[in-house]
Order: sequence, then C-alpha cells, then structure tokens
Amino acid sequence: DAGVTQSPTHLIKTRGQQVTLRCSPKSGHDTVSWYQQALGQGPQFIFQYYEEEERQRGNFPDRFSGHQFPNYSSELNVNALLLGDSALYLCASSLAVRTSTDTQYFGPGTRLTVL
Amino acid sequence: AQSVTQLDSHVSVSEGTPVLLRCNYSSSYSPSLFWYVQHPNKGLQLLLKYTSAATLVKGINGFEAEFKKSETSFHLTKPSAHMSDAAEYFCVVSDQNSGTYKYIFGTGTRLKVLA
Repeated sequence: DAGVTQSPTHLIKTRGQQVTLRCSPKSGHDTVSWYQQALGQGPQFIFQYYEEEERQRGNFPDRFSGHQFPNYSSELNVNALLLGDSALYLCASSLAVRTSTDTQYFGPGTRLTVL
Repeated sequence: AQSVTQLDSHVSVSEGTPVLLRCNYSSSYSPSLFWYVQHPNKGLQLLLKYTSAATLVKGINGFEAEFKKSETSFHLTKPSAHMSDAAEYFCVVSDQNSGTYKYIFGTGTRLKVLA
C-alpha cells in the first residue's frame, strides 16, 4: 500500500514564475491538506481539500491556490513566486478529518527554491 | 485559538540516557495532541497521539507522552536514547474550524544523540 506521494522532489524557480506541486493521497483517503515548512520552522497550514472543494484555509495570500481531482489527488499552485516562498511543501492525507483525533499522514515533501 | 509551545529548540543527550522533549499547549477546550518526528529528507511520521482515553500515551519506538491538564503540558519521553532517534520532533494540536480540523505545529525540537 503506497503512502502519500509528492512530485517533484525538488524544484528551482525564479522570482515571478509560477509553480505546480502534486500530491497523491494514501489509498482510501479522501482529504488532502497542504503545509509550508520554512527552514528551521514548523509546518504551517495552507489549505485543505475535501470533495474537490477547499474546506479550510490558513493565512496565505491568494497567490496560493489548489485543486482536488475526483481521484482525490491534489495540486498546489503558487503564482508570482517570491524569495520567501522557498520552503518544503508537505502534503498530508486523511480520511475526512471530522474529529480532532483523526490522523494525517504526510508525504516526503517538495523542496522549492526560489532564486 | 489553540497553540503549542515547544520549550527547547535543541536537546542533546548521550546514547542510552533518557530523553525529555517539552511541549505546553494552550486550548479553550480539551485538546487533541500529537507528536511527530521528521528525519532528514523524510516525511513526518506520527509517534503518538492523545485522544483523552488515557493520560499516558504510548507510541512507537519506545516513546511515550503524558497529558497533564493542570500543567497544560504534553511532554515526550523515552527511557533510553538510540542514535537513530536523532531527528526533529514536533508537538501538534488539532484545531477545528468550519467543521473540519487542521494541525497547528510547534516550532520543533532538534534532538541530537551523542555516542
């Protein structure tokens, strides 16, 4: 049973460009959450998708957008990249996070470097 | 709003000695708390979670944590450190909004194990 997978592993972009990161959830999971982890910091919640809709959003600008497909996989898009967007982007999947004790399973992340 | 505070950014222990990683939480209601570990270039792995069923929670790899409401703490311990325990550890609280839950991470504690 494959866990959460993310692609690409690493990505280098320049300021002003746009980037798309991809995530496939763990088998049987229908909810995907995205987190940004800056160097030396804890992950910060970007947004969460369930039933192809954004259910909850953290304190990130509209340059960050996402999508969930019918097979539950998800994309994170970032427009007009800034140097400060350089980070590890983590995808987490779960089965409809409806209780506080539901566990989220994380992928290995995509390391984005903006030059 | 819920939050967690990890009291030490770095902890060094000798192999075979006990490990204590400290976490305090702030919550207006009974929280759901987690400890995750992040090894270099790997995703976050769940060590254990508190679900209010028992205040002493046992996790994987010999780790355990005790929920103390009077002290608003959820410290992570292990009786004997192994070299393989060297990693970044995150205390996490689950936060509810719009009928779903997201994770709020602490800033992390980097554990170093000395031979």
